[in-house]
Amino acid sequence: LAKTTQPISMDSYEGQEVNITCSHNNIATNDYITWYQQFPSQGPRFIIQGYKTKVTNEVASLFIPADRKSSTLSLPRVSLSDTAVYYCLVVLYNNNDMRFGAGTRLTVKP
Amino acid sequence: EAQVTQNPRYLITVTGKKLTVTCSQNMNHEYMSWYRQDPGLGLRQIYYSMNVEVTDKGDVPEGYKVSRKEKRNFPLILESPSPNQTSLYFCASKAGEGYTFGSGTRLTVV
Repeated sequence: LAKTTQPISMDSYEGQEVNITCSHNNIATNDYITWYQQFPSQGPRFIIQGYKTKVTNEVASLFIPADRKSSTLSLPRVSLSDTAVYYCLVVLYNNNDMRFGAGTRLTVKP
Repeated sequence: EAQVTQNPRYLITVTGKKLTVTCSQNMNHEYMSWYRQDPGLGLRQIYYSMNVEVTDKGDVPEGYKVSRKEKRNFPLILESPSPNQTSLYFCASKAGEGYTFGSGTRLTVV
């Protein structure tokens, strides 16, 4: 499984767009990029998954450049309730094994 | 409602006293997994199961056992708990894009 690197922490303010970038230089051809959100003392929650270009759902957008060596999770107009740890993972499609890194602790301020 | 249910939510026990943390999912998922989460160490996989009667070690299996006699249940067994197993434990199941996590079990071994 490819190793991922993401910032340890980020601060933002309510109403701003937040972009969290993850690097995964050793991503393999059949790997997908997946993001999870975790609130304190709760289990992580799946946010979004993508292979290339752009994926958007009701919660976030995921941008993946052509070389796929990095990806950016974009959270539009964050609120205080978006304060959480965000994990970037590289997973082999249809392989259920996943390893979580340290994640990015996002703090949204009023 | 699709969910992963762990019990108990909180448990304080003494060193050496065998315990079992139960995990049950109602989504007919084949894949289930156990993680522990510790400050500064993130989420680490203990054991996983690809299907009934198929289990394998994750990154930190020492001191733990699991069983998968039926698809919906994946209990975590600590035969002789020690204080270094004090942690927050999560069970998860997966089919398709993302994991569904349980609400967690906070275990304290004194």
